[in-house]
Amino acid sequence: GAVVSQHPSRVICKSGTSVKIECRSLDFQATTMFWYRQFPKQSLMLMATSNEGSKATYEQGVEKDKFLINHASLTLSTLTVTSAHPEDSSFYICSASLVGDTQYFGPGTRLTVL
Amino acid sequence: RKEVEQDPGPFNVPEGATVAFNCTYSNSASQSFFWYRQDCRKEPKLLMSVYSSGNEDGRFTAQLNRASQYISLLIRDSKLSDSATYLCVANAGGTSYGKLTFGQGTILTVHP
Repeated sequence: GAVVSQHPSRVICKSGTSVKIECRSLDFQATTMFWYRQFPKQSLMLMATSNEGSKATYEQGVEKDKFLINHASLTLSTLTVTSAHPEDSSFYICSASLVGDTQYFGPGTRLTVL
Repeated sequence: RKEVEQDPGPFNVPEGATVAFNCTYSNSASQSFFWYRQDCRKEPKLLMSVYSSGNEDGRFTAQLNRASQYISLLIRDSKLSDSATYLCVANAGGTSYGKLTFGQGTILTVHP
């Protein structure tokens, strides 16, 4: 399957700091990438749809000023969690589509905010 | 009502058993469906896509009933390595095509 990478895989930060997570499609171009969040023992929840060259589309209840998304190229989307707080601690996963609507997921970033 | 609902599980089965998971979806505009497996603290990995009435891949068979808005996954001859959480996923369809909605997942444990 298609390869999607994420960096970093794990980050621990202090409350109030900002954290940037990168999502890359390694062997294909992705005009659309998706950002999900998964809390313990829960399923994935779509946060936003990242579109190359345009503004991201956020799901209801997701603060766009807190979760900044930039999709500057066809292989890179970034999610910045601004002024992170302990309740933002979660598993953040991106995905990208290669063909049709099949999505391939990155390995995820585990964020812990102290 | 959740958009995608799965069997609550967990399922504990012996090696070699056949196990079936059920899933229902509420969005009639959904056109495509998927089963992903997710291992503990890992990302979901695509197991099967389901576009028409069903799909089979080795020991795994997925079936789709659009009239009942129901999807199933059958695993035959279970292996220890099948232990994971299985996620039923629907494509939102319509103007939201491409957006996936995940079920809460069903935990499967295959024991010796």
